[in-house]
Amino acid sequence: EAAVTQSPRNKVTVTGGNVTLSCRQTNSHNYMYWYRQDTGHGLRLIHYSYGAGNLQIGDVPDGYKATRTTQEDFFLLLELASPSQTSLYFCASSDQGQEQYFGPGTRLTVL
Amino acid sequence: GDSVTQMQGQVTLSEDDFLFINCTYSTTWYPTLFWYVQYPGEGPQLLLKVTTANNKGISRGFEATYDKGTTSFHLQKASVQESDSAVYYCVLGDTAGGLSGKLTFGEGTQVTVIS
Repeated sequence: EAAVTQSPRNKVTVTGGNVTLSCRQTNSHNYMYWYRQDTGHGLRLIHYSYGAGNLQIGDVPDGYKATRTTQEDFFLLLELASPSQTSLYFCASSDQGQEQYFGPGTRLTVL
Repeated sequence: GDSVTQMQGQVTLSEDDFLFINCTYSTTWYPTLFWYVQYPGEGPQLLLKVTTANNKGISRGFEATYDKGTTSFHLQKASVQESDSAVYYCVLGDTAGGLSGKLTFGEGTQVTVIS
C-alpha cells in the first residue's frame, strides 16, 4: 500500500511568517509533487521533483520554494506567508507517468 | 496550455439513481485521462484511468468513456449509493510523453447521495 505522510496537519501563521510543510513517501517513487486545493479551482500544481536535488516549477509557483532532500522527503517553503496562501496543501508521489498517491493534506491558515 | 473543464459543480442524487458527470479537455495531443475521487478528510485517489488505446475504463461499478472527436470525457454509474458521496475530479495526464508525470485537475464535482 502506498504511503505518503504530511506534517503538520494543521498550521496557523501570521502574514510575513515563515512556514515549512513536510512530506515523506515510503513508496520508492522518483516523482513527488506539491499541490494546493482551493474551492472552485480543484488542485493546482505548485512544484514537483524527479528525484533528490531536482526541482521543477509547476503551474502556480509564485511565493513558494521547495526542496527535495532525499528520495523520500519533499519540503514546501513559504518564506513570507500571505493570506492568499491560506489553503489545503497536498503532497503526492508516483512512478513516471503512473498513478499519483496523495497524502492526507495540511491545512494552512495565514492571518 | 492544457486545460480541463467540469461544468457540474454539484450533483445531488438519491440512492439507486444514475450518475453522469461530463468534462471537456483541451490539449495539443491525445492524452491519458483519469478520474480521481476524494472522500471527506482524505487526499484524492485514483478511480479510473483511460488511454487512447482503449477509450473506456471500468472500476468499482463506475465507467469512464473518452471521446477524442468531441474532446470530452465522462464518468457514469448505473446505481449510486450513499458511500459514493465524494468530490470527483476529471484529470488530464501529461501530454509530453508522460515524462513529467504532471496532472491537470478539473474544478471537481461534489456528488451527494441521499438515502
